[in-house]
Amino acid sequence: DADVTQTPRNRITKTGKRIMLECSQTKGHDRMYWYRQDPGLGLQLIYYSFDVKDINKGEISDGYSVSRQAQAKFSLSLESAIPNQTALYFCATSDRGDRGAFFGQGTRLTVV
Amino acid sequence: GEDVEQSLFLSVREGDSSVINCTYTDSSSTYLYWYKQEPGAGLQLLTYIFSNMDMKQDQRLTVLLNKKDKHLSLRIADTQTGDSAIYFCAESTSGTYKYIFGTGTRLKVLA
Repeated sequence: DADVTQTPRNRITKTGKRIMLECSQTKGHDRMYWYRQDPGLGLQLIYYSFDVKDINKGEISDGYSVSRQAQAKFSLSLESAIPNQTALYFCATSDRGDRGAFFGQGTRLTVV
Repeated sequence: GEDVEQSLFLSVREGDSSVINCTYTDSSSTYLYWYKQEPGAGLQLLTYIFSNMDMKQDQRLTVLLNKKDKHLSLRIADTQTGDSAIYFCAESTSGTYKYIFGTGTRLKVLA
């Protein structure tokens, strides 16, 4: 089983719909992140959380919200999806050191 | 603010060495990382280097860090077709625990 699991893996939704992307981890890490990947732009940080009571905005948080339901779960919501939110979304975790982040397989979201 | 830059494409012949370069702007970067992304997959951490090191070697991978020029490179010896992927450079600053990624370099290995 994957250490960082994202659901769904693929989703097509209509403009204006609310959608939630879910992430769960079995690594026991405190820190969790949501990134967005667009071709030629690398990964951009949307939100990050260092523990259940801690939520921080990243570079591109507008139009997104998150919930850290438990140490192992961190979900990303698009309240009213728009086409330029079409992208590949990654959840990642890290421990208390700076030894790197561990990524899920990604969710490919298409907003039509 | 922090910025990490990479060239977008690199093409090499199988068996040759590949060198992927990265520059970063944050002089307080503490750790620097290399990740590999294969098609349809997430990012896989390949290796990382602490900012007080100049070099780190791990099997076919060699990381070189020039802190003065804020330049990081990843050398892959004896490049194989299975090394074809996108390679991301990333940095973090101690105490922030945020990872800032470059745009990725797409490595194509020609048989």
